[in-house]
Amino acid sequence: EVQLLESGGGLVRPGGSLRLSCPASGFSFNSFAMTWVRQAPGRGLEWVSGISDRGGSKYYAASVKGRFTISRDNSKNTLYLQMNSLRAEDTAVYYCAKDRGNGDYGVISFDSWGQGTLVTVSS
Amino acid sequence: QSALTQPASVSGSPGQSITISCTGTRNDVGLYNYISWYQQHPGKAPKLLIFDVSDRPSGLSNRFSGSKSGNTASLTISGLQPEDEAAYYCSSYTSSSTLVFGGGTKLTVL
Repeated sequence: EVQLLESGGGLVRPGGSLRLSCPASGFSFNSFAMTWVRQAPGRGLEWVSGISDRGGSKYYAASVKGRFTISRDNSKNTLYLQMNSLRAEDTAVYYCAKDRGNGDYGVISFDSWGQGTLVTVSS
Repeated sequence: QSALTQPASVSGSPGQSITISCTGTRNDVGLYNYISWYQQHPGKAPKLLIFDVSDRPSGLSNRFSGSKSGNTASLTISGLQPEDEAAYYCSSYTSSSTLVFGGGTKLTVL
């Protein structure tokens, strides 16, 4: 059974930083792309960032490019999202999700999701 | 990248069929067959229903089906059941190698 367990969320002031982690189990982690998707309170899904299976290709939404960095450690089966220069509009539940493919050209569809971690950006 | 356009809400009675549309542009929905649909119940993580326009994950009910014409993709749910009441989101790969979601559609089973 695939398991994804996000952590690292919390309350942070505008301009601050947070690092989210998502340890994975139940599948061959180094064979699949991974992604972060967020959902602001009461709003829809917004794709944030994706990374290919070996970490060689990274993709970002325009809204976070230059502020967020996605990475993975295949030796630890863990996905990360480093979030800097946080803004109020970054407040959301952040989900990590497993892609069906390896992500060589992008992330496309997500067949397993974690339960999410809440990030609140407020003074 | 603007969100794909979905109706805010749809409704149907048990046993009926409904269709949710998802309209994009020639740079996303119209360009690739990388359209996915997700179901999300309140307080839960999304669940993949359809990938590559019309393929279903193993074990998923065939009451869910997908299609595409031009810049518009569609999800059809047949034989509506009370447990289908949820939010539904489409997504598409884009020419910028990014992904875009639709705004979401709330399905009410009357």
